[in-house]
Amino acid sequence: QVQLVESGGGVVQPGRSLRLSCAASGFTFSSFTMHWVRQTPGKGLEWVAVISYDGSNRYSADSVKGRFTISRDNSENTLFLQMNSLRAEDTAVYYCARPNTSGWSQPPVLWGQGTLVTVSS
Amino acid sequence: DIRMTQSPSSLSASVGDRVTITCRASQGISNYLAWFQQMPGKVPKLLIYAASTLQSGVPSRFSGSGSGTDFTLTISSLQPEDVATYYCQKYNSAPFSFGPGTKVDLK
Repeated sequence: QVQLVESGGGVVQPGRSLRLSCAASGFTFSSFTMHWVRQTPGKGLEWVAVISYDGSNRYSADSVKGRFTISRDNSENTLFLQMNSLRAEDTAVYYCARPNTSGWSQPPVLWGQGTLVTVSS
Repeated sequence: DIRMTQSPSSLSASVGDRVTITCRASQGISNYLAWFQQMPGKVPKLLIYAASTLQSGVPSRFSGSGSGTDFTLTISSLQPEDVATYYCQKYNSAPFSFGPGTKVDLK
């Protein structure tokens, strides 16, 4: 079964760190670019970060640059998002997502169910 | 960075109505434009990519058009199950920004 399953969300204090994981199954994970997208409850979608199939290219949104790092372990079929110096405005559901075909410039078609991160004291 | 805008931010229409949503990029993105549908409480669903190509399984009442900076999503005959928020996304290069969304509900 082709799927993405996020984990690692929870409640964290401002300034602290959290690492999200996205476990991929049912497809050749190492062939695909992967994305993180977030959504503040009741608000719109915000693209967060992207990583190429082999991890050699990465890019993050300005809102998280210098604080969040996307990475992957192709041997474990897992995508990560290391989130440091968390702020209240980082509170959101975080989705991992995969395009339909390999390549950098493709929209995501396969989405996980999301994991909720709440930044609050 | 290229900024994505959408109009209107929300609309109400009757079943059977033709609905049009506009997405604009602040710079040209060729046809690297996707449309997503997000029903309440659900994960986003890809409807259209390459500005006008219907994703497999998406009803033919959905269509997309445009190139460069101006794009349109059209629902030819609105159905009750189309109540959702619709987002455009650019994917020519990073950052792969989304538009702010258009909420569609029934009149």
